[in-house]
This record gives sequence, C-alpha cells and structure tokens, in this order.
Amino acid sequence: QKEVEQNSGPLSVPEGAIASLNCTYSDRGSQSFFWYRQYSGKSPELIMSIYSNGDKEDGRFTAQLNKASQYVSLLIRDSQPSDSATYLCAVKRMNTGFQKLVFGTGTRLLVSP
Amino acid sequence: KAGVTQTPRYLIKTRGQQVTLSCSPISGHRSVSWYQQTPGQGLQFLFEYFSETQRNKGNFPGRFSGRQFSNSRSEMNVSTLELGDSALYLCASSLGTDRAVDTQYFGPGTRLTVL
Repeated sequence: QKEVEQNSGPLSVPEGAIASLNCTYSDRGSQSFFWYRQYSGKSPELIMSIYSNGDKEDGRFTAQLNKASQYVSLLIRDSQPSDSATYLCAVKRMNTGFQKLVFGTGTRLLVSP
Repeated sequence: KAGVTQTPRYLIKTRGQQVTLSCSPISGHRSVSWYQQTPGQGLQFLFEYFSETQRNKGNFPGRFSGRQFSNSRSEMNVSTLELGDSALYLCASSLGTDRAVDTQYFGPGTRLTVL
C-alpha cells in the first residue's frame, strides 16, 4: 500500500463547476497535510495546508480533513481553465523534528471552457 | 521576501559525469530538502539538511550526496551519472521546526538531462 494515494485522473470538469480532488494516506501518525499545484514543466506551488479535522476555506479552495478515515480532499469552486494542472497531495509526519513530505503521484485536472 | 532559488535551471550531461546543483532557501529558513521528480516515480525525497547537518535521507544510492553551508545554502551532487538520473530536481525550504504548520516552499527546479 502506498503511503499517499491519489487518483491520477485526468479529472475533467467544465468551467464554473466544482472540482473534487481526493487523497488517502496510510500513516496514522501524520499531522500536516498539504495541497500543491504543479503546472506542466513548473515546480509545485502551495495551495492549501490543513492540520485539524474539518474544513478550511481560502477563496475558491476548500481543504477537508478526516483523520479517522485518513482522508483529505481539495474542492475547487468555480473552476477556471487556469486551474488545469496536476494537484499533489503531501503528508508530513513529525518525527524527531526533521522535515519529510511524502507525496502522492498527483491528480491531473482539466477544466474545459 | 525572495523565494527559493536554484541554479542552474537546465543542465545537459553525459553518462559517467558528475553534477552539482545549488539551492538558496528563503531568508530565515534553515531547512533545505531535496526531491527528485520523474514521470514514472513522481516526487521522491532525497535528503534534508538543517544547520549544516543531514537530518534525514531517502532511499537513493550513495552517488547522491549533499551539503549545507552556514548561510543555509545547499548543494546537491550526483556522481557517475546514469541515464535514469534525468529528472527535475527540486529543493524546498522551510523553517525546519517541529511545528505542524512549518511549510515547505519549492524552488523552480533544475532540469537535468543525462545523455
């Protein structure tokens, strides 16, 4: 079982729709969860971070965390063609202080005009 | 604040050569992590440096090494290059604390092509 799993997609949604991206993780000791957006040929860019169960909203983005189910999701409202990218879920387990992010393989999102 | 910078942005090398990549973290960040990204394997953790010490290492051969200087700048070296080392190499900086909110920010990456 992979530590962080994402559906590779592509997830296709029309412009203006809600895109729902999902991620599951296996390590119950995980404490921090991040969503990065990566355009083709570019480096990952932080979109959202979440640490507590529940929802966290930032503009058109909402991250949802359910630690009991070991599940984290990202909702993108009013999707735009510029949102077309690969979305990487990353999980961090705090252990002796060092920083190690474990990434999923990413979900490719395509937003059609 | 300036972001994470990486040099060079592109490199072309031949098998057997060695290469050194450089990363300058965000001012005030003391942790630098390195990742390799390939289409087949995704983002793979190489190692993390904090206060000039390697704190954690991923599952890569000894040909991959790194170091960090007193100003937190970091270099990564790959010796005896193989075709499979062709990848996007990313560094990420963070404060390096134990706090859950401590976040990694990525540089633009170095695209390495091994011929």
